[in-house]
Amino acid sequence: DTAVSQTPKYLVTQMGNDKSIKCEQNLGHDTMYWYKQDSKKFLKIMFSYNNKELIINETVPNRFSPKSPDKAHLNLHINSLELGDSAVYFCASSQTQNSPLHFGNGTRLTVT
Amino acid sequence: KNQVEQSPQSLIILEGKNCTLQCNYTVSPFSNLRWYKQDTGRGPVSLTIMTFSENTKSNGRYTATLDADTKQSSLHITASQLSDSASYICVVSGGTRAGNNRKLIWGLGTSLAVNP
Repeated sequence: DTAVSQTPKYLVTQMGNDKSIKCEQNLGHDTMYWYKQDSKKFLKIMFSYNNKELIINETVPNRFSPKSPDKAHLNLHINSLELGDSAVYFCASSQTQNSPLHFGNGTRLTVT
Repeated sequence: KNQVEQSPQSLIILEGKNCTLQCNYTVSPFSNLRWYKQDTGRGPVSLTIMTFSENTKSNGRYTATLDADTKQSSLHITASQLSDSASYICVVSGGTRAGNNRKLIWGLGTSLAVNP
């Protein structure tokens, strides 16, 4: 059983399009995250939700909008995609903020 | 400035050999230090998490050490296997953030290749 699953695994789209990435966790965790991993493999936090409430919102363009319909889901919607948005996006969850993060296997977004 | 630096950047070893990866940090206040393993094309997986009072923690063939005085940590891999080939990332929880939401400061990782 996959603990943190995100779809799609690959996403290729053109500049200016709007796309969404979905994430679900079946671990019963209260906190969920979105991370961006760039070509240099650096992982950068984008957003964090605790029990459907936004608690971390790093300096991310407002073209990126997270949505948490319930505490098991955290989706990421991206408007007006740009070339620089190309990266691997990871969803993660944790029981508490001092607990280890459990990551999904990433969504590789390519903007052409 | 809160930073996590890892060395070496990359490492190649032969199967069966041991190796040690280093992590130095300048994060204050400090909450905990974590090591993650990231296989190619996969998400990171937690190996260990250590608080200020812990100076060593093992997870199978992986042993992490922490010296909170010198702000250094190491990850020792014993009897390496081909499946150990991955990126190993050091992450420090701390710094400042409003409320109880500690920041996670990520290192760039050490890329380990284990060759037969």
